[in-house]
Amino acid sequence: DQQVKQNSPSLSVQEGRISILNCDYTNSMFDYFLWYKKYPAEGPTFLISISSIKDKNEDGRFTVFLNKSAKHLSLHIVPSQPGDSAVYFCAASENNQGGKLIFGQGTELSVKP
Amino acid sequence: NAGVTQTPKFRVLKTGQSMTLLCAQDMNHEYMYWYRQDPGMGLRLIHYSVGEGTTAKGEVPDGYNVSRLKKQNFLLGLESAAPSQTSVYFCASKGELYTGGVSGNTIYFGEGSWLTVV
Repeated sequence: DQQVKQNSPSLSVQEGRISILNCDYTNSMFDYFLWYKKYPAEGPTFLISISSIKDKNEDGRFTVFLNKSAKHLSLHIVPSQPGDSAVYFCAASENNQGGKLIFGQGTELSVKP
Repeated sequence: NAGVTQTPKFRVLKTGQSMTLLCAQDMNHEYMYWYRQDPGMGLRLIHYSVGEGTTAKGEVPDGYNVSRLKKQNFLLGLESAAPSQTSVYFCASKGELYTGGVSGNTIYFGEGSWLTVV
Protein backbone atom coordinates (compact mmCIF):
# COMPACT_ATOMS: atom_id res chain seq x y z
CA ASP A 1 0.00 0.00 0.00
CA GLN A 2 1.81 3.07 -1.32
CA GLN A 3 0.98 5.97 1.00
CA VAL A 4 2.96 8.49 -1.04
CA LYS A 5 2.80 8.33 -4.82
CA GLN A 6 4.64 10.06 -7.60
CA ASN A 7 2.85 8.89 -10.71
CA SER A 8 5.26 10.37 -13.24
CA PRO A 9 8.53 8.42 -13.37
CA SER A 10 10.12 11.03 -15.61
CA LEU A 11 9.72 14.60 -16.82
CA SER A 12 11.57 16.50 -19.53
CA VAL A 13 11.61 20.31 -19.59
CA GLN A 14 13.37 22.96 -21.65
CA GLU A 15 15.88 25.19 -19.85
CA GLY A 16 14.25 28.38 -18.59
CA ARG A 17 10.75 26.91 -18.48
CA ILE A 18 8.81 25.78 -15.42
CA SER A 19 9.14 22.26 -14.03
CA ILE A 20 6.17 20.92 -12.08
CA LEU A 21 6.57 17.72 -10.12
CA ASN A 22 3.52 16.17 -8.50
CA CYS A 23 2.95 14.00 -5.47
CA ASP A 24 -0.19 12.46 -3.94
CA TYR A 25 -0.67 10.92 -0.54
CA THR A 26 -3.36 8.83 1.11
CA ASN A 27 -2.69 9.16 4.84
CA SER A 28 -4.63 12.14 6.22
CA MET A 29 -2.47 12.05 9.37
CA PHE A 30 0.60 13.27 7.47
CA ASP A 31 1.39 16.80 8.61
CA TYR A 32 4.83 17.56 7.24
CA PHE A 33 6.03 17.18 3.67
CA LEU A 34 9.46 17.41 2.12
CA TRP A 35 11.11 17.30 -1.27
CA TYR A 36 14.52 15.71 -1.77
CA LYS A 37 16.82 15.85 -4.76
CA LYS A 38 19.12 12.99 -5.66
CA TYR A 39 22.01 12.83 -8.09
CA PRO A 40 23.39 9.44 -9.23
CA ALA A 41 25.76 7.79 -6.76
CA GLU A 42 24.92 10.32 -4.05
CA GLY A 43 22.55 10.40 -1.09
CA PRO A 44 19.32 12.40 -1.28
CA THR A 45 19.66 16.03 -0.22
CA PHE A 46 16.94 18.13 1.32
CA LEU A 47 15.39 20.71 -0.98
CA ILE A 48 12.30 22.27 0.59
CA SER A 49 9.56 21.41 3.05
CA ILE A 50 6.08 22.49 4.04
CA SER A 51 3.99 22.06 7.14
CA SER A 52 0.31 21.19 6.90
CA ILE A 53 -0.56 24.56 8.45
CA LYS A 54 0.59 26.27 5.25
CA ASP A 55 -0.37 25.88 1.61
CA LYS A 56 2.74 27.36 0.04
CA ASN A 57 6.42 27.65 0.82
CA GLU A 58 8.95 29.36 -1.38
CA ASP A 59 12.73 29.23 -1.45
CA GLY A 60 14.39 30.95 -4.39
CA ARG A 61 13.47 29.12 -7.60
CA PHE A 62 11.65 26.40 -5.70
CA THR A 63 8.07 26.58 -4.48
CA VAL A 64 6.06 23.80 -2.87
CA PHE A 65 2.25 23.92 -2.90
CA LEU A 66 0.08 21.82 -0.61
CA ASN A 67 -3.60 21.06 -1.23
CA LYS A 68 -4.76 19.19 1.86
CA SER A 69 -8.28 18.56 0.66
CA ALA A 70 -6.94 16.85 -2.46
CA LYS A 71 -4.03 15.24 -0.57
CA HIS A 72 -1.73 16.60 -3.22
CA LEU A 73 1.49 18.55 -3.26
CA SER A 74 3.60 19.88 -6.06
CA LEU A 75 7.07 21.29 -6.53
CA HIS A 76 7.57 24.13 -8.98
CA ILE A 77 11.01 25.02 -10.28
CA VAL A 78 11.22 28.35 -12.11
CA PRO A 79 13.27 28.87 -14.18
CA SER A 80 14.55 25.34 -14.72
CA GLN A 81 18.30 24.89 -15.19
CA PRO A 82 20.32 21.95 -16.57
CA GLY A 83 21.83 21.48 -13.08
CA ASP A 84 18.34 20.71 -11.79
CA SER A 85 18.41 17.41 -13.69
CA ALA A 86 18.11 14.76 -10.97
CA VAL A 87 15.62 12.42 -9.34
CA TYR A 88 13.16 14.21 -7.05
CA PHE A 89 11.49 12.42 -4.17
CA CYS A 90 8.59 13.71 -2.16
CA ALA A 91 8.24 12.47 1.41
CA ALA A 92 5.73 12.79 4.20
CA SER A 93 5.76 12.33 7.93
CA GLU A 94 3.25 12.07 10.73
CA ASN A 95 3.79 13.80 14.04
CA ASN A 96 4.83 11.56 16.92
CA GLN A 97 5.83 8.71 14.63
CA GLY A 98 9.55 8.81 15.25
CA GLY A 99 10.15 11.37 12.52
CA LYS A 100 10.23 8.61 9.92
CA LEU A 101 9.59 9.69 6.37
CA ILE A 102 7.53 7.81 3.83
CA PHE A 103 8.85 8.41 0.32
CA GLY A 104 7.32 8.40 -3.10
CA GLN A 105 8.88 6.46 -5.97
CA GLY A 106 10.67 9.48 -7.38
CA THR A 107 10.46 11.49 -10.61
CA GLU A 108 13.48 11.85 -12.84
CA LEU A 109 13.69 15.42 -14.14
CA SER A 110 15.70 16.18 -17.24
CA VAL A 111 16.27 19.83 -18.11
CA LYS A 112 17.49 20.24 -21.66
CA PRO A 113 19.60 23.23 -22.75
CA ASN B 1 32.05 18.55 7.91
CA ALA B 2 31.37 14.80 7.96
CA GLY B 3 27.60 14.69 8.65
CA VAL B 4 26.42 11.12 8.05
CA THR B 5 29.07 8.60 7.05
CA GLN B 6 28.44 5.04 5.84
CA THR B 7 30.88 2.16 5.48
CA PRO B 8 31.50 0.22 3.35
CA LYS B 9 30.49 2.03 0.18
CA PHE B 10 30.50 -1.11 -1.99
CA ARG B 11 30.25 -4.78 -1.12
CA VAL B 12 29.56 -8.04 -2.94
CA LEU B 13 28.24 -10.92 -0.85
CA LYS B 14 27.45 -14.53 -1.57
CA THR B 15 24.01 -15.83 -0.66
CA GLY B 16 23.96 -16.85 2.99
CA GLN B 17 26.86 -14.67 4.06
CA SER B 18 26.47 -12.12 6.81
CA MET B 19 27.65 -8.54 7.01
CA THR B 20 27.19 -5.28 8.89
CA LEU B 21 26.80 -1.79 7.50
CA LEU B 22 28.05 0.95 9.79
CA CYS B 23 26.56 4.41 10.00
CA ALA B 24 28.09 7.26 11.98
CA GLN B 25 26.78 10.80 12.48
CA ASP B 26 28.56 13.67 14.16
CA MET B 27 25.58 16.00 14.55
CA ASN B 28 24.44 14.69 17.94
CA HIS B 29 21.09 13.64 16.45
CA GLU B 30 18.81 11.41 18.45
CA TYR B 31 16.95 9.82 15.56
CA MET B 32 18.63 7.60 12.98
CA TYR B 33 17.29 5.54 10.08
CA TRP B 34 18.20 2.91 7.54
CA TYR B 35 16.53 3.04 4.11
CA ARG B 36 16.94 0.96 0.98
CA GLN B 37 16.42 2.26 -2.53
CA ASP B 38 15.29 0.02 -5.35
CA PRO B 39 14.29 0.98 -8.91
CA GLY B 40 10.66 2.12 -9.10
CA MET B 41 10.22 1.73 -5.33
CA GLY B 42 11.66 4.95 -3.98
CA LEU B 43 13.23 4.80 -0.55
CA ARG B 44 11.77 2.36 1.93
CA LEU B 45 12.42 2.46 5.66
CA ILE B 46 14.01 -0.71 7.08
CA HIS B 47 14.55 0.13 10.75
CA TYR B 48 14.95 3.26 12.80
CA SER B 49 16.04 4.42 16.24
CA VAL B 50 14.73 7.26 18.37
CA GLY B 51 17.72 7.27 20.69
CA GLU B 52 20.63 5.33 22.08
CA GLY B 53 19.62 1.79 22.98
CA THR B 54 16.33 1.88 21.03
CA THR B 55 15.32 0.37 17.71
CA ALA B 56 12.03 0.00 15.85
CA LYS B 57 10.80 -1.66 12.65
CA GLY B 58 10.06 0.30 9.52
CA GLU B 59 8.26 -0.70 6.33
CA VAL B 60 10.56 -3.56 5.23
CA PRO B 61 12.38 -4.95 8.31
CA ASP B 62 12.49 -8.66 7.45
CA GLY B 63 15.97 -10.10 6.99
CA TYR B 64 17.68 -7.23 8.80
CA ASN B 65 18.70 -6.45 12.35
CA VAL B 66 19.95 -3.20 13.84
CA SER B 67 21.70 -1.96 16.94
CA ARG B 68 22.22 1.49 18.46
CA LEU B 69 24.71 0.96 21.26
CA LYS B 70 26.12 4.46 20.93
CA LYS B 71 24.23 7.61 20.03
CA GLN B 72 26.46 8.40 17.07
CA ASN B 73 26.36 4.92 15.50
CA PHE B 74 23.57 2.88 13.92
CA LEU B 75 24.46 -0.58 12.60
CA LEU B 76 22.49 -2.56 10.02
CA GLY B 77 23.10 -6.31 9.93
CA LEU B 78 22.25 -8.96 7.37
CA GLU B 79 22.48 -12.36 9.06
CA SER B 80 22.00 -14.47 5.92
CA ALA B 81 22.11 -12.39 2.76
CA ALA B 82 19.68 -13.11 -0.07
CA PRO B 83 19.69 -11.83 -3.67
CA SER B 84 16.51 -9.85 -2.85
CA GLN B 85 18.66 -7.73 -0.55
CA THR B 86 20.70 -6.42 -3.46
CA SER B 87 20.07 -2.72 -3.15
CA VAL B 88 21.48 0.69 -2.29
CA TYR B 89 21.30 1.36 1.43
CA PHE B 90 21.10 4.83 2.90
CA CYS B 91 21.59 5.79 6.49
CA ALA B 92 20.09 9.02 7.76
CA SER B 93 19.67 11.09 10.89
CA LYS B 94 17.09 13.69 11.84
CA GLY B 95 17.86 17.25 12.79
CA GLU B 96 16.02 20.50 13.22
CA LEU B 97 15.48 22.85 10.34
CA TYR B 98 14.09 26.34 10.07
CA THR B 99 12.98 27.36 6.60
CA GLY B 100 10.37 29.65 5.12
CA GLY B 101 9.30 30.85 8.55
CA VAL B 102 8.50 27.33 9.70
CA SER B 103 10.44 25.28 12.20
CA GLY B 104 10.51 21.61 11.43
CA ASN B 105 12.79 18.70 10.96
CA THR B 106 14.61 17.21 8.06
CA ILE B 107 16.52 14.04 7.52
CA TYR B 108 20.14 14.13 6.43
CA PHE B 109 21.34 11.20 4.35
CA GLY B 110 24.68 9.51 3.94
CA GLU B 111 26.11 8.84 0.50
CA GLY B 112 24.85 5.27 0.25
CA SER B 113 26.21 1.73 0.35
CA TRP B 114 25.90 -0.43 -2.76
CA LEU B 115 25.32 -4.05 -1.83
CA THR B 116 25.15 -6.92 -4.32
CA VAL B 117 24.21 -10.43 -3.23
CA VAL B 118 25.07 -13.15 -5.75
